[in-house]
Amino acid sequence: EVQLLESGGGLVQPGGSLRLSCAASGFTFSSYAMSWVRQAPGKGLEWVSAISGSGGSTYYADSVKGRFTISRDNSKSTLYLQVDSLRAEDTAVYYCTKDCSRSNCDPWGQGTLVIVSS
Amino acid sequence: DIQMTQSPSTLSASVGDRVTITCRASQSISTWLAWYQQKPGKAPKLLIYKASSLESGVPSRFSGSGSGTEFTLTISSLQADDFATYYCQEYNSYSGTFGQGTKVEIK
Repeated sequence: EVQLLESGGGLVQPGGSLRLSCAASGFTFSSYAMSWVRQAPGKGLEWVSAISGSGGSTYYADSVKGRFTISRDNSKSTLYLQVDSLRAEDTAVYYCTKDCSRSNCDPWGQGTLVIVSS
Repeated sequence: DIQMTQSPSTLSASVGDRVTITCRASQSISTWLAWYQQKPGKAPKLLIYKASSLESGVPSRFSGSGSGTEFTLTISSLQADDFATYYCQEYNSYSGTFGQGTKVEIK
């Protein structure tokens, strides 16, 4: 069974940083692209970033380009999202999902909540 | 960037009703479209991929159709478990844009 488990969210001040992690199991991690999708409170889904299976190609939404960095460690089957220069509008649940880059998103983790507030 | 527009934003229906949700893409995406169901406090769940392919384990009352720029999700007979928010997503591009969502409420 494919499982994705996010961690690393929390309360952070504007301008601060966090590193989100997503531990994957149940599939050959290095064979698949991985993505982050976020959802602000009471709002819809927003694709944030994707990374190829090898890690050699990365993609970002314009809203986070230059502030967020996606990476992966295939030896640990773990996906990361380094989120810097955080703004109030980055407050959201961040979901890790398998593929979702020129493919559908399936499955999804349970999400990790990031709150940006002073 | 491709824009995805869903309609309606909210839909009130009763158990047993036939429900249709529409999703329009700002440019042709062939059949690179998925539909997701999301319940409060839960992660989205894939229902339909490639516009009309039913994900394994999803009840057959769900169906999808369309190609190019116009797509529909149909629930043939709404069940109590189906009250949720539904999202379409294009995956013709690397940045898979989602529609704004359609909330299906109890009438």
